[in-house]
Amino acid sequence: GQQLNQSPQSMFIQEGEDVSMNCTSSSIFNTWLWYKQDPGEGPVLLIALYKAGELTSNGRLTAQFGITRKDSFLNISASIPSDVGIYFCAGQMDSNYQLIWGAGTKLIIKP
Amino acid sequence: NAGVTQTPKFQVLKTGQSMTLQCAQDMNHNSMYWYRQDPGMGLRLIYYSASEGTTDKGEVPNGYNVSRLNKREFSLRLESAAPSQTSVYFCASSTGQFRAETQYFGPGTRLLVL
Repeated sequence: GQQLNQSPQSMFIQEGEDVSMNCTSSSIFNTWLWYKQDPGEGPVLLIALYKAGELTSNGRLTAQFGITRKDSFLNISASIPSDVGIYFCAGQMDSNYQLIWGAGTKLIIKP
Repeated sequence: NAGVTQTPKFQVLKTGQSMTLQCAQDMNHNSMYWYRQDPGMGLRLIYYSASEGTTDKGEVPNGYNVSRLNKREFSLRLESAAPSQTSVYFCASSTGQFRAETQYFGPGTRLLVL
């Protein structure tokens, strides 16, 4: 089936550092979504992107819909302990409305 | 307003046993979904229901059946559990306007098949 390549798989960072992660695909998507999953919980939507080139912020989080429509990026500025978790990208193609998910980026903050 | 609820939270089955995972939403959403999540992998869609009375296969439907009991409830059944079905199962719902609008997720059911 379709796959999204999400990187990095995991990140160990210091509190206060900025974080960047991305998702790429060989296919074109018309929507990109970024979710966060806390341990023992279901994913929660952070940012939705609907237009190529779109740059959207949600507090310290900023996500971009790549111009080629084959990639998306998520940045977190000045990380804090509650940012710990797994971040997933998900994309939707024109052909149907099912979401295709990346494997996730696990964010760990070093004490 | 509880959102999406799932029962049970945990379950251990022996190979060959059957069980039904329950999901309910109180947001008056049209669409509901069942996903499985395995370590190191993203969510994979098992089945979905675009609206009450309809169900369709997702990416990994084999070994599962679903029932959209009414607008609120969408159940997932394993008729004969196999170790490969050990996973975390998430139910989700959305308004169902055939666009990747927000899907709201339940807390998950952790299933171990021995």
